[in-house]
Parts: sequence; structure tokens; C-alpha cells
Amino acid sequence: QQQVKQSPQSLIVQKGGISIINCAYENTAFDYFPWYQQFPGKGPALLIAIRPDVSEKKEGRFTISFNKSAKQFSLHIMDSQPGDSATYFCAASMYSGGYQKVTFGTGTKLQVIP
Amino acid sequence: DGGITQSPKYLFRKEGQNVTLSCEQNLNHDAMYWYRQDPGQGLRLIYYSQIVNDFQKGDIAEGYSVSREKKESFPLTVTSAQKNPTAFYLCASATGVNQPQHFGDGTRLSIL
Repeated sequence: QQQVKQSPQSLIVQKGGISIINCAYENTAFDYFPWYQQFPGKGPALLIAIRPDVSEKKEGRFTISFNKSAKQFSLHIMDSQPGDSATYFCAASMYSGGYQKVTFGTGTKLQVIP
Repeated sequence: DGGITQSPKYLFRKEGQNVTLSCEQNLNHDAMYWYRQDPGQGLRLIYYSQIVNDFQKGDIAEGYSVSREKKESFPLTVTSAQKNPTAFYLCASATGVNQPQHFGDGTRLSIL
């Protein structure tokens, strides 16, 4: 019940295209859903986050779509650029046992080709 | 600039040796975390600490130990009991409930 399933494992998109990464969760106690971007040799950096009372959140070229009833959420990267090539992690978070418990997906390696 | 500093960037461990990874933050965050990252497995929680002098085991604490003597510092010791220590170790901090975790740039630990 604590799992967050992320797909695809890897993704190749042409420059200017749309990159879509999907995540699904089981535990309805999760109440905060961040996405992280990680470049090789670096730590993950927060990209965008959403709470379950909102169905969509957009920041620049990055959009999270959230479907509470299906327990699914996705990241859309519009006009993908080579600089977006990185590994993306979705996560689901809840406050449990006195701390903020974050469960991460297994990551999607995105390659944007010119 | 505020942030999290992890050192060293690369670390090598000999068999039977304990090694300590450093994590320092100047974000004034109460909560700190240690994660282990292996290819294809996402991030797994080793230990976390909500306040000074208090810490709790995460999902994969066996073979690891931590201390939290200062708010800014949360060092991780990989002991000889950890039989498969080769991984990328990430330290994170957060300010409160439902706030994003901020990560350092990691330490890559390998076996000699």
C-alpha cells in the first residue's frame, strides 16, 4: 500500500515534443505529491508539487495532472528541450508516526534528442 | 546561499571498516533524512530525525547508524555490518508538514 508505481522507466522524446510520465498510488492517506528532477551526480531537486484538492497545476512548461478517483497523477513537459534530459521521480507524501513519510517512484530517465 | 552540503563526494570503504558521511544544512530545517539510491529502485529511507537528539529508523536501517547532536548536522555511519554498501547516499531536510524535501548532492560510496 506504500508503493508508488512510475512508468515508463525510460523515455526518448524529440525536441519540442511532449514528455509524459505517469504515476499511480494505492494509499489514500497520501496528501502531497511532489515531482523531482535529478541530473547525474546531483541530488534530486523539487520541480513541481500538487495537493489532492487540485486536479491540475502548471508551472511554465511543466504540468501535473491529478486524478484522485483513479489514484493517478502525471507530469507533462511541454516543448521538451535537451536541457530537460534527466531522471524524474514522482513521490507521494503523508504525515505518519510523527514524521513526513515520502514514498518515491522508481524514476524515469528522459532523453530529449535535438 | 542556503542549502545542504554533503561530503565527501566520493568515498571508498575497505572490508570491515566503518565510514561516516557528513551532512550539514543551513536552512534552519528541523527535519533531516538519509536516503539510499540504487539504480532502478528509487530512494529508500535509512534514518530520519525530527529534532536534535532524536532520530528514528527508516525502511532499511540495518547496518547504518546516525546522530543528531546539532540542528545543522546529521552524519550517517555505514558500519561493517552493512554487507552491500555500494550506493549513492542522499541527505535531505524539510521545514515542516507537507513541505518539500531539499536534497544535497550526494555521496557515492564504493567498496575497495
